[in-house]
Amino acid sequence: EAQVTQNPRYLITVTGKKLTVTCSQNMNHEYMSWYRQDPGLGLRQIYYSMNVEVTDKGDVPEGYKVSRKEKRNFPLILESPSPNQTSLYFCASSRRDGTGYTFGSGTRLTVV
Amino acid sequence: GESVGLHLPTLSVQEGDNSIINCAYSNSASDYFIWYKQESGKGPQFIIDIRSNMDKRQGQRVTVLLNKTVKHLSLQIAATQPGDSAVYFCADRRTDIMRFGAGTRLTVKP
Repeated sequence: EAQVTQNPRYLITVTGKKLTVTCSQNMNHEYMSWYRQDPGLGLRQIYYSMNVEVTDKGDVPEGYKVSRKEKRNFPLILESPSPNQTSLYFCASSRRDGTGYTFGSGTRLTVV
Repeated sequence: GESVGLHLPTLSVQEGDNSIINCAYSNSASDYFIWYKQESGKGPQFIIDIRSNMDKRQGQRVTVLLNKTVKHLSLQIAATQPGDSAVYFCADRRTDIMRFGAGTRLTVKP
């Protein structure tokens, strides 16, 4: 089944403790992206990647890092999480031209 | 500033009626548009897309209309069913960045 898999689904952590949310896709998509979803603000793009070793900032990149060492994986790293990063996070992937855009099931992160 | 927005935050329709959800975008350079559906506790699910060189595209029970003159996008759902109840997002892409509206919550009354 074609899908984007994120882990974990739920995560509660403390301020300053580094964490990684994993994302993997099995569709051989070139493009991958991370979003956060907050009430009233919709989905906002954090980072995206057009291909291996190519990453770019989205609209809200502060406090986040990503890497794209393999085509299928695009982890989101929070080096020092803060409470304002409490949110619902989605990973997505697509073909290079934007078609086939597929989202993962989401990761609900709470930073206390 | 640039934005992708929705005209109404909520929409309530009777089962069997047609639904129309609207979206405005501000950047004329946007070349690709997508409608998504998001059910509670799930990730956004692709419904239909349209490129900027088209003005209409139809899928199964759904139609997307694009009016580039007024920068307006709409999603029409025919014969709305209870399973269509969800939040609907429009999104536009310019260069490599995808931007989403805040969403319209569609409620289908039996």
